[in-house]
Amino acid sequence: QVQLVESGGGLVKPGGSLRLSCAASGFTFSDYYMSWVRQAPGKGLEWVSYISTSGTTIYHADSVKGRFTISRDNAKNSLYLQMNSLRAEDTAVYYCARVRGSYAMGHWGQGTLVTVSS
Amino acid sequence: QSALTQPASVSGSPGQSITISCTGTSSDVGGYNYVSWYQQHPGKAPKLMIYDVSSRPSGVSNRFSGSKSGNTASLTISGLQAEDEAEYHCSSYTSSSTHVVFGGGTKLTVL
Repeated sequence: QVQLVESGGGLVKPGGSLRLSCAASGFTFSDYYMSWVRQAPGKGLEWVSYISTSGTTIYHADSVKGRFTISRDNAKNSLYLQMNSLRAEDTAVYYCARVRGSYAMGHWGQGTLVTVSS
Repeated sequence: QSALTQPASVSGSPGQSITISCTGTSSDVGGYNYVSWYQQHPGKAPKLMIYDVSSRPSGVSNRFSGSKSGNTASLTISGLQAEDEAEYHCSSYTSSSTHVVFGGGTKLTVL
């Protein structure tokens, strides 16, 4: 069955960096677009980033553009999110999601918590 | 403030039907048939319930249905059950640089 397992979250100071990973299994990873979605404590969902199957097409939300970079390694069945210049408002649970076309997130990981605080 | 507008809460009794609205603009909900709905229980990851306005993934109960009229999409849950109590989020593709926008979420309470 489809499994997505995020890792790499934790506590980081404002201005710091963190790299999130998402290990995929149970499907042909290279066949699917992938995405990162986040949810601040007690808030709604916010789309963060999106990457095509080959990694040649990438989109980032305006709120993270220039600071976050999505990437993937199809040989390792892994998705990544490099987060730089972190701010308090980036504090959230970050979910890795498999895109099922038309921008619908068909499968989600359990999420990893990122806390940005001094 | 979320790009799509949902009611903060709705409620219904077991067996009843409820509808959750999701209002956007012609740049998102009204312009494309790419509306999705997600169910999220407390402390859990979201689950896709509806995609492309009215399609259901395999395994999702046919008690869940989606529709759209103009700039407003709707999720209807019929025959309410206790396990339907959750937060429901809508999303849509948007022609803006954001690409995907979500609603603020609606808390469904089964009385």
